[in-house]
Amino acid sequence: DGGITQSPKYLFRKEGQNVTLSCEQNLNHDAMYWYRQDPGQGLRLIYYSQIVNDFQKGDIAEGYSVSREKKESFPLTVTSAQKNPTAFYLCASSKQTGVYGYTFGSGTRLTVV
Amino acid sequence: QQQVKQSPQSLIVQKGGISIINCAYENTAFDYFPWYQQFPGKGPALLIAIRPDVSEKKEGRFTISFNKSAKQFSLHIMDSQPGDSATYFCAAMVMNDMRFGAGTRLTVKP
Repeated sequence: DGGITQSPKYLFRKEGQNVTLSCEQNLNHDAMYWYRQDPGQGLRLIYYSQIVNDFQKGDIAEGYSVSREKKESFPLTVTSAQKNPTAFYLCASSKQTGVYGYTFGSGTRLTVV
Repeated sequence: QQQVKQSPQSLIVQKGGISIINCAYENTAFDYFPWYQQFPGKGPALLIAIRPDVSEKKEGRFTISFNKSAKQFSLHIMDSQPGDSATYFCAAMVMNDMRFGAGTRLTVKP
């Protein structure tokens, strides 16, 4: 079955540490996205990538970094510069931007301890 | 700057009733309006979507009503069931830019 796999499902991080969230898709989608979800705030775009080796900042990119070395993979690193990283992180992909909408992964819940 | 405003924040409906969630947008360039359903601990899943050249789209018990002049659209869930209890997000999209509403937590009581 095609889909998006996010791992791990739950992640705990100590303050001051960087952590990387994995996102892999086998849908042959061109574009990939990272969103942050906080209660009552909907989904906020962190970064997106339309093609390999290219990515753009979203609305809340500060404290985050990404890479897109392969079409199938779009990992997100939450750096120590992100002051409030505890949240639910969602990865999504789309075949052609603006045409088919998004397919979402199941999310990673990051907690800073 | 919230480009898509969604209401209500939470909604409680009796089984068999009609659930109505409303959204309003600002950017007239938006050309795709999806609704997503999200269960706790899961990612959102596309429920139904509409383009602005259509005023209504129905899929089973789910209907989108679209008012282009008012820049508003709504989701109607007919014969609501306890299994419909979830958070619903409206969204508006143009090119590679999708903006989400803040979400509505729907509870359907048996």
